[in-house]
Amino acid sequence: SQKIEQNSEALNIQEGKTATLTCNYTNYSPAYLQWYRQDPGRGPVFLLLIRENEKEKRKERLKVTFDTTLKQSLFHITASQPADSATYLCALVGSSASKIIFGSGTRLSIRP
Amino acid sequence: NTGVTQTPKFRILKIGQSMTLQCTQDMNHNYMYWYRQDPGMGLKLIYYSVGAGITDKGEVPNGYNVSRSTTEDFPLRLELAAPSQTSVYFCASSYFRDRGRTEAFFGQGTRLTVV
Repeated sequence: SQKIEQNSEALNIQEGKTATLTCNYTNYSPAYLQWYRQDPGRGPVFLLLIRENEKEKRKERLKVTFDTTLKQSLFHITASQPADSATYLCALVGSSASKIIFGSGTRLSIRP
Repeated sequence: NTGVTQTPKFRILKIGQSMTLQCTQDMNHNYMYWYRQDPGMGLKLIYYSVGAGITDKGEVPNGYNVSRSTTEDFPLRLELAAPSQTSVYFCASSYFRDRGRTEAFFGQGTRLTVV
C-alpha cells in the first residue's frame, strides 16, 4: 500500500538557521508533490507544489526539492523565524489529480 | 464568503447515534475531499469526489458514507457512531488546472467526540 513518511515528528531550530524537513514515500508514483502548513486548531494551508519533472521550486524563503529516484522531497525554510513554527505536511497527488494523500506531518519549532 | 464552509464546528455524539457533517464550497471546484485527523497525526482520506454524482473511497472509509448531488455540497454521514470516530474532520476542495495546480483549500474543521 502507499506510504508517506515524514522523517521526524518534531524539529527544533534556532532562529535564523535553515530548517530542513524530509518526506519519503513508497509504492506510489506521484505526478505532483505538495507542502502545506497547519497551525493549531486550523485547517492546512497550501504552500508549494512541485511536479515530477521538476527538481527544485522556490518561493521567497521556501525551497522544495523532488527526487523521484530516491522517492523523496526536501522542504527548506531559510532564515527561519519564530512565526514559522507550525506543523508541515507533505502530500502526494497522482496523475489524475483526484486523490491527495498526506503524510503524518513534522512539528517545527523555531526558538528565538 | 469564498472558500470551504463546514458545519458544525463542534459536536458530541453518543455511541450508536448518527449525524451528518456538512461541507459546502463556493469556488466551483470539481474535486472535494473528507479527511480525519487524530491528535498529533496527519490527515487520513475518508472519501473523495471528482464531480457531482461521483464518489470514491479513500484510505479509511469504514463507518462513513458520502454523497455529491451538487458541485457545491459534499456531506459526510456517520452511522452508528463509535469512540474510534472521535477526531477532527476536515473537508477540502480543489480544481485541477491545465498546469497541474491542484492545491486543496480546507475548511476550518469539525471537532467530533463520541462518548
